[in-house]
Amino acid sequence: KQEVTQIPAALSVPEGENLVLNCSFTDSAIYNLQWFRQDPGKGLTSLLLIQSSQREQTSGRLNASLDKSSGRSTLYIAASQPGDSATYLCAVDNYGQNFVFGPGTRLSVLP
Amino acid sequence: GAVVSQHPSWVICKSGTSVKIECRSLDFQATTMFWYRQFPKQSLMLMATSNEGSKATYEQGVEKDKFLINHASLTLSTLTVTSAHPEDSSFYICSASLRAGNGYTFGSGTRLTVV
Repeated sequence: KQEVTQIPAALSVPEGENLVLNCSFTDSAIYNLQWFRQDPGKGLTSLLLIQSSQREQTSGRLNASLDKSSGRSTLYIAASQPGDSATYLCAVDNYGQNFVFGPGTRLSVLP
Repeated sequence: GAVVSQHPSWVICKSGTSVKIECRSLDFQATTMFWYRQFPKQSLMLMATSNEGSKATYEQGVEKDKFLINHASLTLSTLTVTSAHPEDSSFYICSASLRAGNGYTFGSGTRLTVV
């Protein structure tokens, strides 16, 4: 059974810092991995999608890497801003059979 | 891109009544949609997979008679919480995928409060 964990559970940083969020999964037979952002009481916004054959994806200040063999992904946020404050979720797609979420990292960027 | 619309965004209902939540794929057809539930400060848990034209597949521990799912068309899936109780109060979110392996798009969620 696929299990997804995220470290840290919560993170508070001053504005401008570069930071790394970690995601680990137990079953490396995945189709892809997706990072989402969730604001309080809101739905999910997709940030980056990494296919199993890819090593990384970039969008603006965000960069996500994937090491499928070790079951790890990292989300790198450069020059963090208060508007980046949210919960960040990673999720893995097990060949379309199911989509498993991690517990999330609650990020707070202080002005 | 793929857009999923979910309504209502919030609803308050009395205990014992039923509530229907709609999930629509606006610019694509979705043979499969997914329903999740999220309790405060917890991650999303898959409740069921909604299949167009056939019965939904429920995850273990989810009561199919309480959470009725109907996927009558390629663009609409509905979740009906029947005989709602306060413990059903939660955040419900649906999702769909434009193509297999292309990632998932989520609706904006529905905050259900049962009083």
